[in-house]
Amino acid sequence: GAGVSQSPRYKVAKRGQDVALRCDPISGHVSLFWYQQALGQGPEFLTYFQNEAQLDKSGLPSDRFFAERPEGSVSTLKIQRTQQEDSAVYLCASSLGALAVSSEQYFGPGTRLTVT
Amino acid sequence: DQQVKQNSPSLSVQEGRISILNCDYTNSMFDYFLWYKKYPAEGPTFLISISSIKDKNEDGRFTVFLNKSAKHLSLHIVPSQPGDSAVYFCAASEIPGTYKYIFGTGTRLKVLA
Repeated sequence: GAGVSQSPRYKVAKRGQDVALRCDPISGHVSLFWYQQALGQGPEFLTYFQNEAQLDKSGLPSDRFFAERPEGSVSTLKIQRTQQEDSAVYLCASSLGALAVSSEQYFGPGTRLTVT
Repeated sequence: DQQVKQNSPSLSVQEGRISILNCDYTNSMFDYFLWYKKYPAEGPTFLISISSIKDKNEDGRFTVFLNKSAKHLSLHIVPSQPGDSAVYFCAASEIPGTYKYIFGTGTRLKVLA
């Protein structure tokens, strides 16, 4: 398929474990975003990449959250020492242009993380 | 502090009638507004957008209205179809930094056949 894909779709982690969530954006898309969506809430911005450069990480809730996009395509969101409050759906989105000015963001299906 | 508010968590409409989904915002710096639709177990999909220089944008059955003085926007779906049943998110962004969308909490629309 040509859309944004994410893996795994579901992840259950014990409190304190590290997790890694993968995002494959649409081929050729310059911009990549991560969002966190808690139950009953809208998506909340976490971080933004333009190619391999992480231009904005202001939404990352703590230093346990780390994202990378080393070759400007696939991205990984890593959460260290998971806590119960990290339980949420993590959404990845990509868009064609830089800075996504008036450019539609295409979302993946998300990874539902449950921390027990 | 919720900068984008969707005060109706759910809405039911009869097929063929008009659906009106509302969204209020508090940040006067917001310059670009979008609506996304989300089906269960899928990511949000873009529906329609509007820039603050306009007060209306239309795309087929979907029309978005923007009232800047009231800091209010609405999405009209006419006529509503059962396939429109989904959660609708309103989102807003400032310029510069247009990429950072601030989303509302969503409204679940159910179109009854």
